[in-house]
Amino acid sequence: AQSVTQLGSHVSVSEGALVLLRCNYSSSVPPYLFWYVQYPNQGLQLLLKYTTGATLVKGINGFEAEFKKSETSFHLTKPSAHMSDAAEYFCAVSLNTGGFKTIFGAGTRLFVKA
Amino acid sequence: GAGVSQSPSNKVTEKGKDVELRCDPISGHTALYWYRQSLGQGLEFLIYFQGNSAPDKSGLPSDRFSAERTGGSVSTLTIQRTQQEDSAVYLCASSFGTGSTNEKLFFGSGTQLSVL
Repeated sequence: AQSVTQLGSHVSVSEGALVLLRCNYSSSVPPYLFWYVQYPNQGLQLLLKYTTGATLVKGINGFEAEFKKSETSFHLTKPSAHMSDAAEYFCAVSLNTGGFKTIFGAGTRLFVKA
Repeated sequence: GAGVSQSPSNKVTEKGKDVELRCDPISGHTALYWYRQSLGQGLEFLIYFQGNSAPDKSGLPSDRFSAERTGGSVSTLTIQRTQQEDSAVYLCASSFGTGSTNEKLFFGSGTQLSVL
């Protein structure tokens, strides 16, 4: 069975600082990996995903994530935080187990300080 | 429809009552998911439907919870004898379910359930 672990339920950074949200997964086969974002009072939306090919993937709003198979990680980064990045971020894994069931991590709430 | 539609958007009920939550997925999506989002608990998987296959019910927290999907489209999540700990936002999502590199989930706006 697959699982997803997000380190840190809350992360606080200053505006302009590096954003690093950690995600580790466990899976017996290469998974698809996703980051979803939930802005305040809005629904969940896809930020970026890794399926195959290049291990460094770029998403919306300047975010990117790198799939590291040896570390079973898919950490999300952004070089310079903006106030509008304040949101909850969810890492997710999807396996081809006769379908593509998607399991989410517990989420990390990002706070951005002026 | 253009997106995943859930109804009602808010539901207040008394402890012990049954509730039904509805999800209308995007047309053509074969995969449908129910998740529960509680404060501080993240996004908890409940149940997953894929085409005509038997649903994956491994996330349902108790036998008070059940879900069905009629005609491969609309789904209803039923909670019997509701308890206060059932209070949460119930999210529905759908996808093509093909496992292609275009795979991603489309979420509804959720149903906020409050059990008094």
